[in-house]
Amino acid sequence: GENVEQHPSTLSVQEGDSAVIKCTYSDSASNYFPWYKQELGKRPQLIIDIRSNVGEKKDQRIAVTLNKTAKHFSLHITETQPEDSAVYFCAASKGSGGSYIPTFGRGTSLIVHP
Amino acid sequence: DTGVSQDPRHKITKRGQNVTFRCDPISEHNRLYWYRQTLGQGPEFLTYFQNEAQLEKSRLLSDRFSAERPKGSFSTLEIQRTEQGDSAMYLCASSSPYSIAENTEAFFGQGTRLTVV
Repeated sequence: GENVEQHPSTLSVQEGDSAVIKCTYSDSASNYFPWYKQELGKRPQLIIDIRSNVGEKKDQRIAVTLNKTAKHFSLHITETQPEDSAVYFCAASKGSGGSYIPTFGRGTSLIVHP
Repeated sequence: DTGVSQDPRHKITKRGQNVTFRCDPISEHNRLYWYRQTLGQGPEFLTYFQNEAQLEKSRLLSDRFSAERPKGSFSTLEIQRTEQGDSAMYLCASSSPYSIAENTEAFFGQGTRLTVV
């Protein structure tokens, strides 16, 4: 089955700095890569996603890049703010012929210091 | 609230007791997932339904775990003879594809936190 590795497990930055979280996946058939943000005591919520036919996607301060050859994808947050502090999870899933089941990484705890 | 709802939010039970959790997905979402999450870990897949059919179960799901989704609407997850190792947050998520072959966002519920004492 799919295996998703995520690094780092903890990331501490100063407000205004950039943050990068990296994930690798094992199954070359995976074609959908969502990123979720989970604040303490709350449900995971999607912040951005990317499909395998796209190499990069951006939404304001958040961007995601995908390298299908190397089977890795990354989340980039620019101009970080204290409210960005949360746990971020990457995931990978397959479509038709697969099972549409997102497999999650272990998470990255992002701490943004004011 | 039209999102995914789970009940109860918290459950404390004695070891050996049976517990049942309920998940109401977003209306008309045909895909439903159960995950388990422990502190400091990502959600671990337990089982997946497409409409009323349970299409996949994780090897993590022992015989003490059973899930149903009658009529393809709400779902229940039952744990029999609970053990302390079952203590975790149980998350339900649902999604609806734009087309049958497509992956789309999974919307999560607030979860049911189970504590086995």
